[in-house]
Amino acid sequence: DAKTTQPPSMDCAEGRAANLPCNHSTISGNEYVYWYRQIHSQGPQYIIHGLKNNETNEMASLIITEDRKSSTLILPHATLRDTAVYYCIQINFGNEKLTFGTGTRLTIIP
Amino acid sequence: GAVVSQHPSWVICKSGTSVKIECRSLDFQATTMFWYRQFPKQSLMLMATSNEGSKATYEQGVEKDKFLINHASLTLSTLTVTSAHPEDSSFYICSATGQGLLPYFGPGTRLTVT
Repeated sequence: DAKTTQPPSMDCAEGRAANLPCNHSTISGNEYVYWYRQIHSQGPQYIIHGLKNNETNEMASLIITEDRKSSTLILPHATLRDTAVYYCIQINFGNEKLTFGTGTRLTIIP
Repeated sequence: GAVVSQHPSWVICKSGTSVKIECRSLDFQATTMFWYRQFPKQSLMLMATSNEGSKATYEQGVEKDKFLINHASLTLSTLTVTSAHPEDSSFYICSATGQGLLPYFGPGTRLTVT
């Protein structure tokens, strides 16, 4: 079973920052937080992952709380193409067996 | 990122027939591949894990004799749905990993059984 919890849906205006929360209160010390997204009828796409430090790449930023029990994925300037279901997954790095929860359906509004 | 392909992208078959779906890693050697199934408006459900050269490990509730998985090379895994029925209609997705890479997913195969 998935160990993370996310809101089922969110809306965000085009051009604004989309902030997607994830609760992973049972995370252990050697588990990472991975984020993937799935655009309709496509395979999931890797976005970013982190352990305890905040991370940033060309797609997004990941902010992890100090106690590591929650995190926020930030898409800094959302576009219509960012409309997708976003999945937050906690897993040991090197264990590639990903278990998907229900995710957050993000809708970018023009 | 690494590229994973699936073939076919969609297939329609008659009830009782078998269908083979291919998953290929195009630019890396995939020591492990995973097969998922996704029903409409639901999340991905892991079906099985396949390691190159060995038997697949199936998740609880997945019939290994119905969903045959072969991972004969480091770039190819196949999923065969045997004696397909309408309830097997779904979106089948593979992911591949190896050489220290994060899992990369294929584009998926939509199976419709009539």
